[in-house]
Amino acid sequence: DQQVKQNSPSLSVQEGRISILNCDYTNSMFDYFLWYKKYPAEGPTFLISISSIKDKNEDGRFTVFLNKSAKHLSLHIVPSQPGDSAVYFCAASEIVGAQKLVFGQGTRLTINP
Amino acid sequence: EAGVTQFPSHSVIEKGQTVTLRCDPISGHDNLYWYRRVMGKEIKFLLHFVKESKQDESGMPNNRFLAERTGGTYSTLKVQPAELEDSGVYFCASAVNGHSSPLHFGNGTRLTVT
Repeated sequence: DQQVKQNSPSLSVQEGRISILNCDYTNSMFDYFLWYKKYPAEGPTFLISISSIKDKNEDGRFTVFLNKSAKHLSLHIVPSQPGDSAVYFCAASEIVGAQKLVFGQGTRLTINP
Repeated sequence: EAGVTQFPSHSVIEKGQTVTLRCDPISGHDNLYWYRRVMGKEIKFLLHFVKESKQDESGMPNNRFLAERTGGTYSTLKVQPAELEDSGVYFCASAVNGHSSPLHFGNGTRLTVT
């Protein structure tokens, strides 16, 4: 049973526009959520995180929103740049700061010039 | 600072053979993790070392998988005998401590079992 779901396998966005990646989870015990970015033939790289006591966390062009009641989080990238083209993984854990993570299947984001 | 290094980058073996994957974490990182991504699906936790001790191996799929971290430095993950469903990308990650510090992932080993 998949506890973290990214229902969109791929997303295509024009350069300069906003990219919105979505993630849903089923485990109500999750308290900590992260987004990782992965380029081909490389490992995932940490992007941004949020704990369940917050509903928003921002870092430069990246903002993560958390809706606990809906068990949903999203990553907003604005403005989108060609270098943002990658696979984005949503991840979660039951303990804030924990490193035993449950990942989603990933969403491939393509930024078109 | 050198990143997490994994070797080999690719391995193709036949069903029933043995393969050993190696991970060199970032120097000074006591926490070492193995994760696996099978067939383009989600990345799944396999196990966690703190120094040379296995802290959590709840994600290991079965007893054909053996992970070691002798001396608390590099780690190996042996698959013996390999089965077709073991194909995937095996990622190693390390962290300074077991909480709040981000995981640094290696580039992974792509294992193909034919």
